[in-house]
Amino acid sequence: NAGVMQNPRHLVRRRGQEARLRCSPMKGHSHVYWYRQLPEEGLKFMVYLQKENIIDESGMPKERFSAEFPKEGPSILRIQQVVRGDSAAYFCASSRQGVQQGTQYFGPGTRLTVL
Amino acid sequence: AQSVTQPDIHITVSEGASLELRCNYSYGATPYLFWYVQSPGQGLQLLLKYFSGDTLVQGIKGFEAEFKRSQSSFNLRKPSVHWSDAAEYFCAVAARQAGTALIFGKGTTLSVSS
Repeated sequence: NAGVMQNPRHLVRRRGQEARLRCSPMKGHSHVYWYRQLPEEGLKFMVYLQKENIIDESGMPKERFSAEFPKEGPSILRIQQVVRGDSAAYFCASSRQGVQQGTQYFGPGTRLTVL
Repeated sequence: AQSVTQPDIHITVSEGASLELRCNYSYGATPYLFWYVQSPGQGLQLLLKYFSGDTLVQGIKGFEAEFKRSQSSFNLRKPSVHWSDAAEYFCAVAARQAGTALIFGKGTTLSVSS
């Protein structure tokens, strides 16, 4: 059973560009979470999605950030008009509905650098 | 407010010595409790978790953790540290319901000296 997949692993963008991060959950998992890790800090929750629905986006900045988890395909975290402060590691996690509730499995992360 | 505190930012332990990493949480009710490990440039790997039952839980790589309700603590231990254990360790909590986001501590970096 393949783990959580994220791509790209490293992404470099110039200020003002768009960043698009992808996450494929583990097989059988229908819950996806995005977290951001800033230097010297732990992970901070951004958004929680199920297929075609955003369940909780309380940790997502109100502007420039959006997320989706379509019926088919990976979950996408989109950052428009990136700024230097967006430079961070972005981790996706997935969990299985109804089984061992609360256990989230993490992907390797996407490290975003904004020049 | 819900929070997780890892009081030690950085710990250095000699190879073969025992290890204890501290974690305290502030939460309305007993949450699910987790320890994750992150090697440099890598994602997070689940070491162990506590949901209910025996308060001493065993995890992978020889780690264990003890839940103490009275102290709101979930400390991670290992009797004999190996050089490959050098990494960053995160304690996390989640509410007892499906689809709840994890709240992480800021992490403890473990260095292992020879």
